[in-house]
Amino acid sequence: EPEVTQTPSHQVTQMGQEVILRCVPISNHLYFYWYRQILGQKVEFLVSFYNNEISEKSEIFDDQFSVERPDGSNFTLKIRSTKLEDSAMYFCASSGYYGYTFGSGTRLTVV
Amino acid sequence: DQQVKQNSPSLSVQEGRISILNCDYTNSMFDYFLWYKKYPAEGPTFLISISSIKDKNEDGRFTVFLNKSAKHLSLHIVPSQPGDSAVYFCAASLTSGTYKYIFGTGTRLKVLA
Repeated sequence: EPEVTQTPSHQVTQMGQEVILRCVPISNHLYFYWYRQILGQKVEFLVSFYNNEISEKSEIFDDQFSVERPDGSNFTLKIRSTKLEDSAMYFCASSGYYGYTFGSGTRLTVV
Repeated sequence: DQQVKQNSPSLSVQEGRISILNCDYTNSMFDYFLWYKKYPAEGPTFLISISSIKDKNEDGRFTVFLNKSAKHLSLHIVPSQPGDSAVYFCAASLTSGTYKYIFGTGTRLKVLA
């Protein structure tokens, strides 16, 4: 069964550092998403991406965040200058005709 | 602004009995609803969905009920099994636009053997 792959599974970074979270969506999917879940809280929408551009973003997705699909395969989330409150599980998802598939997440710990 | 709410953070049920998980939403424009199950350290996995044109959808042990007038949906699991122990999220979306999902806060279900 096709799956969404996220790397790394766990990333620890110093506050103020840049991080890039990587995702390989399902190949024939057209919509791509990033969600995050702060420990003990709900899964929150960050951004959706379609046709090589952001189609919608939440208020969480400020100027510190950016997304890219650099090579038609990977879908990345970059956080330019991480803050302690960026510590969370970040989930990538892609969607096609049969619905959403989530990756297993990247746990980002900002110290 | 909590558009999708799951008011019970946790639920314990005996094995073999029925588990009922509830979800309320505020946006009457939502037209597609889903339940996801999430195990620790894993991403949410799709369980069952329902379109707003229906009021019930069944898949094996899982049934989702939608009450549009009350803006309420529920997930019934019967019979409950220990492997059902997980966090359950309901999600709502509009089937136009970006198809983003709005998730509830989750209910942790524990099925006791």
